[in-house]
Amino acid sequence: DQQVKQNSPSLSVQEGRISILNCDYTNSMFDYFLWYKKYPAEGPTFLISISSIKDKNEDGRFTVFLNKSAKHLSLHIVPSQPGDSAVYFCAASRRNSGGSNYKLTFGKGTLLTVNP
Amino acid sequence: KAGVTQTPRYLIKTRGQQVTLSCSPISGHRSVSWYQQTPGQGLQFLFEYFSETQRNKGNFPGRFSGRQFSNSRSEMNVSTLELGDSALYLCASSFPSGRSTDTQYFGPGTRLTVL
Repeated sequence: DQQVKQNSPSLSVQEGRISILNCDYTNSMFDYFLWYKKYPAEGPTFLISISSIKDKNEDGRFTVFLNKSAKHLSLHIVPSQPGDSAVYFCAASRRNSGGSNYKLTFGKGTLLTVNP
Repeated sequence: KAGVTQTPRYLIKTRGQQVTLSCSPISGHRSVSWYQQTPGQGLQFLFEYFSETQRNKGNFPGRFSGRQFSNSRSEMNVSTLELGDSALYLCASSFPSGRSTDTQYFGPGTRLTVL
């Protein structure tokens, strides 16, 4: 049972335009969400995160939106640049009672291609 | 500050053998997590160690095991290798402040091929 889903395996956008990557989750216990970017032959790199108490978090060109009622989050990249071409993973975690939880549940990723 | 390092980067083994992978976390980080990445299943959590103790475990068979040393370095071991164990094994470290929001930083991974 896949608890974090990225339904679009790939996305192609033009340089300068907006990239929107989507992610859905099924486990209502998740309370922290992250986006990672991964280049070939490298490990995932942390991009941006959002706590379930917020509905938006912004960091430069990257904004993550969280809709808890729909169990949906999205990553917006504006403007998109060719260097943004990579696989983007959505991940979620939940707090254990009595402490922190470092178990991340990942989606299967979306390959973003930004064309010059 | 040096990032997370993993050795070896590439490994080829045959079915039935065992393998040990190593991970050195970022200096000062005390939590180490392991993930398996395959094309079909994506990134899946294996286990997490903190202060030499396994705190969390994913849904993998007992052939997959790990440990952490007093200097926070970690190893994972897979015994009786199967073809399906071919994957990229990723290690991530974090500086636990006690919140689940601690960011995990990933190493480049070890690419294991089982023939």
